[in-house]
Amino acid sequence: QKEVEQDPGPLSVPEGAIVSLNCTYSNSAFQYFMWYRQYSRKGPELLMYTYSSGNKEDGRFTAQVDKSSKYISLFIRDSQPSDSATYLCAMSGGPYETSGSRLTFGEGTQLTVNP
Amino acid sequence: NAGVTQTPKFQVLKTGQSMTLQCAQDMNHEYMSWYRQDPGMGLRLIHYSVGAGITDQGEVPNGYNVSRSTTEDFPLRLLSAAPSQTSVYFCASSFDRETEKLFFGSGTQLSVL
Repeated sequence: QKEVEQDPGPLSVPEGAIVSLNCTYSNSAFQYFMWYRQYSRKGPELLMYTYSSGNKEDGRFTAQVDKSSKYISLFIRDSQPSDSATYLCAMSGGPYETSGSRLTFGEGTQLTVNP
Repeated sequence: NAGVTQTPKFQVLKTGQSMTLQCAQDMNHEYMSWYRQDPGMGLRLIHYSVGAGITDQGEVPNGYNVSRSTTEDFPLRLLSAAPSQTSVYFCASSFDRETEKLFFGSGTQLSVL
C-alpha cells in the first residue's frame, strides 16, 4: 500500500466551477503538507504549503489538512482554463535533521477546466 | 533569473550505454535532489545533496551515481542504462533543506531501448 494515495483522475470541470482535489495518507508522522502544480511537459511548481492541521488560503486556492482523518484537500474557486494541469500532493514528517523524513509525493490528479 | 536548468531535454540511449544528466541552479541553494516520474508511480527520489561534497541515497538509487563538487551543479550519472530507467527525470533545489520547498527544472525525457 502506498503511503500517499491520490486519485489520478482525469477530472474535467467547466470554467467557474469549484474544484476539490484530495489525498489520503497512512503515515501519522507527516507534518508538512504541500501542493505542487505541473503543467504539461514542465517541472512541478510549489503552489501551497501548510504545517500541521488547519486551512491556508491564497487567492482562489485553499489548502486544508485534517490530520485526525489523514486527509488533505486543495480547493480551487472560480476555476479557469489556465488551471488545467496535474496537481500533486506531497508531505513529509518534519525537518530532515530530526525526523530523517523526505518528501513523499502522491501520483497526481490531472485536471482540465473547459471554457 | 534562470532557476534550475537541466540538459538535455530529450535523450535516447541503447541498453548498456552510460550518460550524465546535467543540473545547475543559480539561486545559491544548498539542497538539491533528483527525482524520476513514472506513470502510476508519481515522483520518486533518486539521490539528494544537502551541500557541496555531501550526497545521500533516496528511494530508488540503484543504477545511478551523483556527486556535488560545487553548490551550483548536481549531475546524475547512469552507469549502464537499462530499459527500466526509461522515465522523465527532474532536478530540484530548495533554499530550505528542512522542509524541501522545491524548485524544479523542466525535466529530461529519457528513453532506453
